[in-house]
Amino acid sequence: DADVTQTPRNRITKTGKRIMLECSQTKGHDRMYWYRQDPGLGLRLIYYSFDVKDINKGEISDGYSVSRQAQAKFSLSLESAIPNQTALYFCATAPPGKNEQYFGPGTRLTVT
Amino acid sequence: QKEVEQDPGPLSVPEGAIVSLNCTYSNSAFQYFMWYRQYSRKGPELLMYTYSSGNKEDGRFTAQVDKSSKYISLFIRDSQPSDSATYLCAMSAVQAGTALIFGKGTTLSVSS
Repeated sequence: DADVTQTPRNRITKTGKRIMLECSQTKGHDRMYWYRQDPGLGLRLIYYSFDVKDINKGEISDGYSVSRQAQAKFSLSLESAIPNQTALYFCATAPPGKNEQYFGPGTRLTVT
Repeated sequence: QKEVEQDPGPLSVPEGAIVSLNCTYSNSAFQYFMWYRQYSRKGPELLMYTYSSGNKEDGRFTAQVDKSSKYISLFIRDSQPSDSATYLCAMSAVQAGTALIFGKGTTLSVSS
């Protein structure tokens, strides 16, 4: 089935560690997004990419970096994790010329 | 004033009730409106998509947009326990634009 997958689904890491979250999609969509979701704060955009050579910062990019390895793959890295990066992270994709975004199942990240 | 306001609830209703979920917004340029449903520990799932003003119906769900009042609604008829979830509104001013602006979500509980 065409889908958006995220790995890992759950991760516990320590302060200062580097961690990578991965997103893959089989939808053939060109645009990909990374969001974090926190209770009471809703979904906030971290980074987005319109194609392999295009990377853009979102609302809360500090402390994060991304890599668009292929049209179907978009990774999010935390260079030096800190406890306030504990959150639910979602990858989303959007088809060409459309606004609708399709979300992956999420990664629950805990930084201790 | 936040761009998109959504009452977080929680909203509790008995099975079979009609549910009304609402968002208000401040940016008169918004033209594309979406509703997402998010079950606990899952990614948001696109429910309804509407463009400009008017109504759109899909089964038990009706999305309504009133641009003059900057107000959108999602109605759920004959609510079921399986409708228990958080409902997020989202909107955009531009076709295939940068990103969606999300409300923080309303948590709905339907009791049997």
